[in-house]
Amino acid sequence: RKEVEQDPGPFNVPEGATVAFNCTYSNSASQSFFWYRQDCRKEPKLLMSVYSSGNEDGRFTAQLNRASQYISLLIRDSKLSDSATYLCVVNIIASGTYKYIFGTGTRLKVLA
Amino acid sequence: DTEVTQTPKHLVMGMTNKKSLKCEQHMGHRAMYWYKQKAKKPPELMFVYSYEKLSINESVPSRFSPECPNSSLLNLHLHALQPEDSALYLCASSPTQDRADGYTFGSGTRLTVV
Repeated sequence: RKEVEQDPGPFNVPEGATVAFNCTYSNSASQSFFWYRQDCRKEPKLLMSVYSSGNEDGRFTAQLNRASQYISLLIRDSKLSDSATYLCVVNIIASGTYKYIFGTGTRLKVLA
Repeated sequence: DTEVTQTPKHLVMGMTNKKSLKCEQHMGHRAMYWYKQKAKKPPELMFVYSYEKLSINESVPSRFSPECPNSSLLNLHLHALQPEDSALYLCASSPTQDRADGYTFGSGTRLTVV
């Protein structure tokens, strides 16, 4: 089982739709969680951190469920510019050091 | 300055060549990272430097040799690469290795080995 798993998609949604992505992680000692966005042939960029109580940033809402070991990202009122790959990232402790593990990514295509 | 700068942006090299990738940041970050990303795959961690010391080597072949000359610079020396090493090489930095604020990535070096 991969350490961080996501549905690869693609998710094709019309403009204005609400879309949700899930991510599961296997290491129960995972410390912190993030969503990154990566456009085609560009570097990943931090979209938002994910906090235990859930957090919102404009049209984006992130949730964490530690008991079930999954993270979600909800995008409301999708825009064409939201088309990208969304990467779930988990910070784990391994052999006494921290490292980020990236999920496989979920491709989103917002259609006009 | 909130950027991580990588050079060159593109590199084509033969299997017998020696080349280096460079990464620079002036944000005062003390952790720096090399990732490798193949097409349609997530970034894979290669090396982590923390306070200029190698903290993690993810069993990377010795044809890749990292170097951290000072807290702002990170190099990746390449020698005798294989065509399957062609990928996007991403550098990232963070305040410290255990500071979970998120990484800042450079725009990457797209490497082609011929």
